[in-house]
Amino acid sequence: DVKVTQSSRYLVKRTGEKVFLECVQDMDHENMFWYRQDPGLGLRLIYFSYDVKMKEKGDIPEGYSVSREKKERFSLILESASTNQTSMYLCATSASQGEEKLFFGSGTQLSVL
Amino acid sequence: GQNIDQPTEMTATEGAIVQINCTYQTSGFNGLFWYQQHAGEAPTFLSYNVLDGLEEKGRFSSFLSRSKGYSYLLLKELQMKDSASYLCAVRGGSQGNLIFGKGTKLSVKP
Repeated sequence: DVKVTQSSRYLVKRTGEKVFLECVQDMDHENMFWYRQDPGLGLRLIYFSYDVKMKEKGDIPEGYSVSREKKERFSLILESASTNQTSMYLCATSASQGEEKLFFGSGTQLSVL
Repeated sequence: GQNIDQPTEMTATEGAIVQINCTYQTSGFNGLFWYQQHAGEAPTFLSYNVLDGLEEKGRFSSFLSRSKGYSYLLLKELQMKDSASYLCAVRGGSQGNLIFGKGTKLSVKP
């Protein structure tokens, strides 16, 4: 089974702090994604990566950046956290582009105070 | 633009059948997915349709009509543990990523 591990289940940060959300997968998948999920808005794609060192903006990249130095690790960075970034953050992976399904991590509930 | 519509909430009775509809308008189409998400947990994959027709997998079935931009998820012999949100997602758009609907929260009552 694919295992997608997010380092923190709950995180509380202050406005203006730099925040790192880490995601590690153990199945050698090419593709990794960061989503945020908000009530009434569903899942929205922030950034994705199809290869090491590669990154692409999703639908809502503003205020975020990412890093993929190794194939198995995809980090989401909030340079200066703001209260509107309080959300559930979900990392996902898939084996290849095309019809491959997504495997999700258990999520990080981030609260920015 | 991209648009995926599904009902916000549904209620059904244990043992019954429920159909959750999803309509979509996307630029490009390369498959439709259904995911199940229990409260506080990550979404898990249920089904995938890329051709028209019905795909059956145990108590769950998913139907697709590409010409109508329409899909449904059919859950039979409902159990209490089926209470969850069901997410419709289409692979499309310029980048070919998954575009998610807002989800349908299903409550199964005794």
